[in-house]
Amino acid sequence: EAGVTQSPTHLIKTRGQQVTLRCSPISGHTSVYWYQQALGLGLQFLLWYDEGEERNRGNFPPRFSGRQFPNYSSELNVNALELEDSALYLCASSLFRGAMVTEAFFGQGTRLTVV
Amino acid sequence: QKEVEQNSGPLSVPEGAIASLNCTYSDRGSQSFFWYRQYSGKSPELIMSIYSNGDKEDGRFTAQLNKASQYVSLLIRDSQPSDSATYLCAVLNDYKLSFGAGTTVTVRA
Repeated sequence: EAGVTQSPTHLIKTRGQQVTLRCSPISGHTSVYWYQQALGLGLQFLLWYDEGEERNRGNFPPRFSGRQFPNYSSELNVNALELEDSALYLCASSLFRGAMVTEAFFGQGTRLTVV
Repeated sequence: QKEVEQNSGPLSVPEGAIASLNCTYSDRGSQSFFWYRQYSGKSPELIMSIYSNGDKEDGRFTAQLNKASQYVSLLIRDSQPSDSATYLCAVLNDYKLSFGAGTTVTVRA
């Protein structure tokens, strides 16, 4: 069974540009989470989508946005890129049943470098 | 107060010893608890999940949960050099999976 897949694996962008990162969850999973991990730092929560709806958002500016499609795949968009946006962007998926969330599994990440 | 706090480390243990990792969380309503392992430059890998008070064992790993004390721990028995990694504690509540900063473990051969 395929795990969580993210694309692209690496990309380099110029400050001020926009970028779109993509995530395909494990088959059957309805929830997708996005995290930012700057070099040497911890995982910072960005967004949580479930059943196409944004359920929660971390403490990030509005230029970080995303969406979840009917097939549960997800995109993370970052506008007006800044140097400090350089990080590993991680996507995870799980199944959300009522108040219970099953285990979350991560994709391999997208390494974004802003120059 | 941070949502999830872990013992800062780094933690160095000899091969074959027990590595003990600790985690506390601030939200008493937290529902689910997880331990992940992350190798340098890689994405986190799920090791254990625990949902109720007590111990849960899986191979060389044992997770312990005490909701009254808001405390989660992970024991790694018979530590191997391949266990050298950063271990992340994660806590779920209210549509958010929060992570601690991680504890870096080095197993000395």
